[in-house]
Amino acid sequence: GENVEQHPSTLSVQEGDSAVIKCTYSDSASNYFPWYKQELGKGPQLIIDIRSNVGEKKDQRIAVTLNKTAKHFSLHITETQPEDSAVYFCAASINGGSQGNLIFGKGTKLSVKP
Amino acid sequence: DAGVIQSPRHEVTEMGQEVTLRCKPISGHDYLFWYRQTMMRGLELLIYFNNNVPIDDSGMPEDRFSAKMPNASFSTLKIQPSEPRDSAVYFCAITGAGANVLTFGAGSRLTVL
Repeated sequence: GENVEQHPSTLSVQEGDSAVIKCTYSDSASNYFPWYKQELGKGPQLIIDIRSNVGEKKDQRIAVTLNKTAKHFSLHITETQPEDSAVYFCAASINGGSQGNLIFGKGTKLSVKP
Repeated sequence: DAGVIQSPRHEVTEMGQEVTLRCKPISGHDYLFWYRQTMMRGLELLIYFNNNVPIDDSGMPEDRFSAKMPNASFSTLKIQPSEPRDSAVYFCAITGAGANVLTFGAGSRLTVL
């Protein structure tokens, strides 16, 4: 079945450094790739997304890249801050994706040390 | 967590008891989803609805699990009887009209002793 692999499972960086999280997906029909940030005791919140007709998207310190040929996409966070510490999930749409049906990676726990 | 209110936020119950989790979308939506989150399996889709009709319940683990959406403003996920392995955080999520941006509620943390 469809699958999303996410690496690394944990990531520790020094404040101000960059963090990169990578995901691969299996469903060739996937056309929507969101990233979610989950803080302790809260639900996942969308931080950035990219669609299959775009190779890169940036929003301030956050960027996402997509390589459809290789079926992988990555999240880049620059100038990390302690408040970036959280669990990050990548996801890929399935069943055409028009209804928001997503399969999620297992998550990356990011720790930013002051 | 705007867009969806879930209750209860925390529930502790004993094995064999019935559990009902509630979801109230507070903004317009096309689809409503129930996800389960555990350390071992991550976020798993259980079931989703479109216009209050269940579309895909293939993720529901067993017949002990059932979900309803009697109207556009309310959905329930019921577990009867509950078992310790059902312990997890259960999330309700919605997508807005014409877009597949998924908005999650704050979740209901269930502990079955």
